[in-house]
Amino acid sequence: DVKVTQSSRYLVKRTGEKVFLECVQDMDHENMFWYRQDPGLGLRLIYFSYDVKMKEKGDIPEGYSVSREKKERFSLILESASTNQTSMYLCASSLFQGRDTEAFFGQGTRLTVV
Amino acid sequence: GENVEQHPSTLSVQEGDSAVIKCTYSDSASNYFPWYKQELGKRPQLIIDIRSNVGEKKDQRIAVTLNKTAKHFSLHITETQPEDSAVYFCAAAEGGSQGNLIFGKGTKLSVKP
Repeated sequence: DVKVTQSSRYLVKRTGEKVFLECVQDMDHENMFWYRQDPGLGLRLIYFSYDVKMKEKGDIPEGYSVSREKKERFSLILESASTNQTSMYLCASSLFQGRDTEAFFGQGTRLTVV
Repeated sequence: GENVEQHPSTLSVQEGDSAVIKCTYSDSASNYFPWYKQELGKRPQLIIDIRSNVGEKKDQRIAVTLNKTAKHFSLHITETQPEDSAVYFCAAAEGGSQGNLIFGKGTKLSVKP
């Protein structure tokens, strides 16, 4: 069974703080993704990575950065948290560098910025 | 880039009825179309997918159809049950990419007993 694990289920941070969301997968997947989920807006892609030290912007990268120093770990960084970044964040991974492979999701991190 | 539209945003059916959710996509190079189900408080999970070389795929009570010419695909659930209640997301793998999934905004399906 593929396991994608996010470090926290719930987080509360203050405006202006630097926030790290961690994601680890245990199936040697090449691809890793960070999505943001908001009611009525679905899943929006923030950043993705196809390989170690490689990253690409998704649809809504502003205010975020990512790090992939090891194949199994993909971190999402909020450089200076703002209240409009309060959301559910979902990490996902998939096996091949192809276009037709299943994405496996983590359990999500609900971030509240106050 | 790819854009995926999903309708309806909410759907309420009586147990035993059928439910249909429709999606359209913009990138003619997209070749892979999965559907995910997200139960309340849980992570999205793949329930069925279809590739561009087929027009229809079935798995028990769930079926997906694809019309590449019109760039739309649909999820059909027959004989709905209360446990089918969830949010369903369609997605398309972005053409020319290495696996990026672009999701629709989701459909909240409620099945009334």
